[in-house]
Parts: sequence; structure tokens; C-alpha cells
Amino acid sequence: AQSVAQPEDQVNVAEGNPLTVKCTYSVSGNPYLFWYVQYPNRGLQFLLKYITGDNLVKGSYGFEAEFNKSQTSFHLKKPSALVSDSALYFCAVRDYSGAGSYQLTFGKGTKLSVIP
Amino acid sequence: GAVVSQHPSRVICKSGTSVKIECRSLDFQATTMFWYRQFPKKSLMLMATSNEGSKATYEQGVEKDKFLINHASLTLSTLTVTSAHPEDSSFYICSARDEASDTYEQYFGPGTRLTVT
Repeated sequence: AQSVAQPEDQVNVAEGNPLTVKCTYSVSGNPYLFWYVQYPNRGLQFLLKYITGDNLVKGSYGFEAEFNKSQTSFHLKKPSALVSDSALYFCAVRDYSGAGSYQLTFGKGTKLSVIP
Repeated sequence: GAVVSQHPSRVICKSGTSVKIECRSLDFQATTMFWYRQFPKKSLMLMATSNEGSKATYEQGVEKDKFLINHASLTLSTLTVTSAHPEDSSFYICSARDEASDTYEQYFGPGTRLTVT
């Protein structure tokens, strides 16, 4: 079964500093990897995804993520954090095996706090 | 871009009553929609997969008779919480899968906050 781990419940970073939110995954086939952001009392907003191709994926709001197959990781990064980036971030994996199963599995989420 | 709406955004109901939540894909067709439940400061828990024109597929531990799902059209799925209890209070989020997308992209609704008093 596929799984996603986000080892940090919370990440604190000073405004202007680079940020990293960690994610590792486990799948049986080729992974489709996603990052979503959730603001309080709101649904999930798509940030970026990795399907195939370049390991460095660029997404919305200046975020990017690096796919590392050997380490089975897909860490979310941003060169310079903004206070408005403070939110809950979810990593998700969809195991595309070609068998028609496309269920998303989410990590537990990481709360990012950017300190002014 | 693809948009998924949910209605209502917030609802308060009394114990024992039923509440219906709607999930609509506004600019694409969705044979498959998903219903998630999120507890405070917790991840999303998949409750069920809603399939247009057929019965929903429920995850283990989710009561089918309590959480009724209907997917009568390609743009609408509904979740009805029957005989609601305070422990059903939660944030419910739906998502819809874009069948026209070659990667079967999922788009999420804004969520519905249910409070049972």
C-alpha cells in the first residue's frame, strides 16, 4: 500500500529565509506526487505536482519541489519565505500502476509558521 | 482552471437531524468524486469514493447508512449525514476528478464546516 510521511508537525522559519517542508513516500509503481496548501477553514489548494520529467518541479507562489527517487523524497522548498505562506501543507501520492486505481494518499500535514 | 464548489460552507444542526452537503464540479465533468473528513489539526481521511450512476465505495470503518452518498449527475455529488451526533462535527471536503485530464487531476472544494449541537 502507498504511504506518505511528513516527519515534521511544524516548521518555523523567519521571513525572508529559505524554507523546506519534508515529505517521503512509498509506492509500488511510478509515483505521482503532489503538494497542497490549506489555509484555516478552507479547502486544499494545489501547489505543484511531479508526474515525470525534470526532478525539480516549479509551482504556484514561488514554491518548488525536488523529486528524489533514490531517497523516495519530494521536499517542498521556497527560497524566501513570506508571512502569508503560513499555512498547513500536505504532501500526497497517487500510485499510477495502470490498473485504474488513482486514490490519493495524504501525509498528516505540516504546519508552516513564518515569523516576521 | 477547474473549480469545485461545496454548499453550504458552514452548517449547524441539532442532534438527530440530517444534513446534506453538495459538491459540484463547475466547469468539468466528474464521473468520480471523493469525500474526505478532516479533524482539527489532522490530515484528510478518505471516507468514500462517489461514482456517478452507481453505488459509492466506502472506506473501512465508515458507516454507509450514516453517511449517504448520491452521485446522480456528472457534476453533482451529495453527502447526507443522517441522525447527526456531536461526534460527527468536522470539516468535510470533497474533490472531483477531471476525467478529461490525462493525469486524472483531482480538484478540491472549499470544505464544509459541520457543527452538531
